[in-house]
Amino acid sequence: KQEVTQIPAALSVPEGENLVLNCSFTDSAIYNLQWFRQDPGKGLTSLLLIQSSQREQTSGRLNASLDKSSGRSTLYIAASQPGDSATYLCAVRVSSGNTGKLIFGQGTTLQVKP
Amino acid sequence: SQTIHQWPATLVQPVGSPLSLECTVEGTSNPNLYWYRQAAGRGLQLLFYSVGIGQISSEVPQNLSASRPQDRQFILSSKKLLLSDSGFYLCAWSVIGGYTEAFFGQGTRLTVV
Repeated sequence: KQEVTQIPAALSVPEGENLVLNCSFTDSAIYNLQWFRQDPGKGLTSLLLIQSSQREQTSGRLNASLDKSSGRSTLYIAASQPGDSATYLCAVRVSSGNTGKLIFGQGTTLQVKP
Repeated sequence: SQTIHQWPATLVQPVGSPLSLECTVEGTSNPNLYWYRQAAGRGLQLLFYSVGIGQISSEVPQNLSASRPQDRQFILSSKKLLLSDSGFYLCAWSVIGGYTEAFFGQGTRLTVV
C-alpha cells in the first residue's frame, strides 16, 4: 500500500531564506509526482508535476526533484517571501489502471516571517 | 483555458438531511473527475472517481454517493448526512487516462450539526 510522508509538518523561516520541503513514498511504482499549494480554506493549486522519468522540474523560484528509486522528492523554494506562506502538499500518482488516483502526504505548513 | 467550478463554498447541514454538491469543468472534454475529502488530521482521501458519463468508482465505503450525469458534471450526494461526513470536499479533474496534472476546485466546507 502506497504511503506518502512529508517532513517537517510545520516550518517557520525568516523572509529571504532558501528552504527545502521533503516528501517520501513507500512504493516506487509511480507515474508521476505533483506538488500543490493550499491556502487556508481554499482549494489546491498545482505547482509542479514531475514525471517518473524526470529528475527535476523548475518554475520560477520553485524547484522540485524526484528520486524514484529511493522514494523521495524535495521542493526547493528560493528566496522565500511572506506570500509563500501556505500548506504544501505532495501527491504521487499510482500506477494502477487509468484512474489517475493521487495519494497525498499530510502536508508541510510553511510560515515565512517578514 | 480549462476551469473547474465547485459549489457551494460552505454548507451547514443538520444530521439526517440530504446533500448535493456540484462540480463542473469547462474547456475540456471527457475528463477524469474526482471527489476528495480533506478531514482534519487525516489528509486528502479519494472518495470517488469517474472516467466517463455514468461510470463511477468508489474508493472507500461510506455514506456518500456520486453521479456523473453529463460529461463535465460531477455530483456528490447523500440521502442522510452523518456527523462524520463533515469535512472539506474537493473536486478535481485530469485529462482522460489520469496520467497528467490534476486540477482542483476551490472546495466546499461541509459542517454537519
